[in-house]
Amino acid sequence: EIVLTQSPGTLSLSPGERATLSCRASQSVTSRYLAWYQQKPGQSPRLLIYGASSRATGIPDRFSGSGSGTDFTLTISRLEPEDFAVYYCQQYGGSSYTFGQGTKLEIK
Amino acid sequence: QVQLVESGGGVVQPGGSLRLSCAASGFTFSTSGMHWVRQAPGKGLEWVQFIWLNENTVYYAESVKGRFTISRDNSKNTVYLQMNSLRPEDTAVYFCAKDLTTYGAFDYWGRGTLVTVSP
Repeated sequence: EIVLTQSPGTLSLSPGERATLSCRASQSVTSRYLAWYQQKPGQSPRLLIYGASSRATGIPDRFSGSGSGTDFTLTISRLEPEDFAVYYCQQYGGSSYTFGQGTKLEIK
Repeated sequence: QVQLVESGGGVVQPGGSLRLSCAASGFTFSTSGMHWVRQAPGKGLEWVQFIWLNENTVYYAESVKGRFTISRDNSKNTVYLQMNSLRPEDTAVYFCAKDLTTYGAFDYWGRGTLVTVSP
């Protein structure tokens, strides 16, 4: 099973700043099978990025994904108040799906 | 628009059983893979099971293999999760999610249903 490790665990930033979230895999992940989600308290997760870098329907272009192999990044170019939430990376491989433990993005 | 509505959650004793349902609408259910994903209170997301177009292709997380069974009824646009031999560590909100075909991602999610396993 591929283990995904996200860093940092908590990121404290202000609106307008740039956020960079990391996801590292225990072994190589096919880029096509790497996704990012946003979850706000009391809500279900929302797909942001799939295929490592493709934005899902309706996702603003301030969200971008990059990376390959074992290192992937979610970048939020300019934080809006509604962006403060928990973010998860997720991969598919070998008939199994795994999530990272999450990064909490909080207002500084 | 796509809607996924879970039901069937509740409180059950350890060793007990429960069946969750997820009613889907707004897309062609019979040609879409479906997942169950769970989230323990205050914890992260854990993928549970996947079913492709029928029971011929199903994937399981090791934590539930042999205890949980996913199935679907394409005539009712519904996916099910039969949970047997429940343990306290199975306590979680269970989400139904639609598979984003060929990308291994989950593009639509339901609101979830809470399962509590407690004496």
